[in-house]
Amino acid sequence: AQKITQTQPGMFVQEKEAVTLDCTYDTSDPSYGLFWYKQPSSGEMIFLIYQGSYDQQNATEGRYSLNFQKARKSANLVISASQLGDSAMYFCAMNWAGSYQLTFGKGTKLSVIP
Amino acid sequence: DAEITQSPRHKITETGRQVTLACHQTWNHNNMFWYRQDLGHGLRLIHYSYGVQDTNKGEVSDGYSVSRSNTEDLPLTLESAASSQTSVYFCASSDGQAKFFGPGTRLTVL
Repeated sequence: AQKITQTQPGMFVQEKEAVTLDCTYDTSDPSYGLFWYKQPSSGEMIFLIYQGSYDQQNATEGRYSLNFQKARKSANLVISASQLGDSAMYFCAMNWAGSYQLTFGKGTKLSVIP
Repeated sequence: DAEITQSPRHKITETGRQVTLACHQTWNHNNMFWYRQDLGHGLRLIHYSYGVQDTNKGEVSDGYSVSRSNTEDLPLTLESAASSQTSVYFCASSDGQAKFFGPGTRLTVL
């Protein structure tokens, strides 16, 4: 069975600094997708970034990048130049070949300090 | 613009009552999902559908049912609401890797 682990329940980062949110996963399937979502205090789930298991390059979307280390089964989210609006819960999730449903980690609460 | 909506956004009900949460998407996605979010558990899959007349159980399906009579809608029914079903419920739809979530429904079972 697929499993996602986010070991940091909460993190603090100074405004304008970079921060890395950890995510490790466990699957025996060679084909899978990895996702990161942001959930601000308003509650909506906002898609941030996607990485496929066969993608050669690390995914990037603006200030978000995914540090994909396949051999270590890690898919860490890097946020560069943190902003106060980045304060939120962040969820790592994955799916696997032949399926579209997501398995989520328990999330990391990021707080950006002015 | 295409969107995914949920109704109601908030609901309070009593133990034992039947409750239906609506989910409607205009993306024309074949795949639709229901998740529940509880503190300490992240989001967990309740049911999902890959097309009309197709429904499948997820990780936490006991006490819930869904039906898919058209592409746009996947209503979630709690047959006999229990206090353990107090949660925030998210509907999602996808076509390939693009996945979009509704705004969520906060359900309280007293």
